[in-house]
Amino acid sequence: DIQMTQSPSSLSASVGDRVTISCRASQGISSWLAWYQQKPEKAPKSLIYAASSLQSGVPSRFSGSGSGTDFTLTISSLQPEDFATYYCQQYHSYPPTFGGGTKVEIK
Amino acid sequence: EVQLVESGGGLVQPGGSLRLSCAASGFTFTSYWMSWVRQAPGKGLEWVANIKQDGSEKYYVDSVKGRFTISRDNAKNSLFLQMNSLRAEDTAVYYCARDRSSGAVNWFDPWGQGTLVTVSS
Repeated sequence: DIQMTQSPSSLSASVGDRVTISCRASQGISSWLAWYQQKPEKAPKSLIYAASSLQSGVPSRFSGSGSGTDFTLTISSLQPEDFATYYCQQYHSYPPTFGGGTKVEIK
Repeated sequence: EVQLVESGGGLVQPGGSLRLSCAASGFTFTSYWMSWVRQAPGKGLEWVANIKQDGSEKYYVDSVKGRFTISRDNAKNSLFLQMNSLRAEDTAVYYCARDRSSGAVNWFDPWGQGTLVTVSS
């Protein structure tokens, strides 16, 4: 199975900050990577697919980059509603696997 | 509006069985692979199983192979997960999700609200 490693596992940031979350795959996955946002007691919501394509309805302050084994989710200017846990997921091969999550907290 | 609504969760004893259901609406159900993804309390996400549009292909994570069965009823726009020989480590919120992408290994959008399965004596 492909292992997905996210860093950091948590971070504290202020409204307006630029936030970067990293995701590393244990083997090359081309651009078969998605990002999700999950708020407490809620279902995950998709943000990015194909490493850098913004899902419909997602604010443009979210962006994704990378290919192969190293990927990044960037929030250009953190908003109050962005405080949540973020997960990456590879869909290069079975089984699809998720990173351990990055919790973004208020500083 | 695309909507997925799970039901069927609850408390079950180790070794017991449970059947989860997911009612889909707002999209052409027969056009999509569908998945179950779970999340243990306070933990991350784990894909469990998926099924092709016509039910002819099914895939499972190793930890549930031989115990869980995914199925669908396209006439009723419904997805199911039959869970047998349940273990404490199967305790989780189970989400129904629509697969997105062109093949069998996909990303997921949208997700249902989830249904909690608790395996305990």
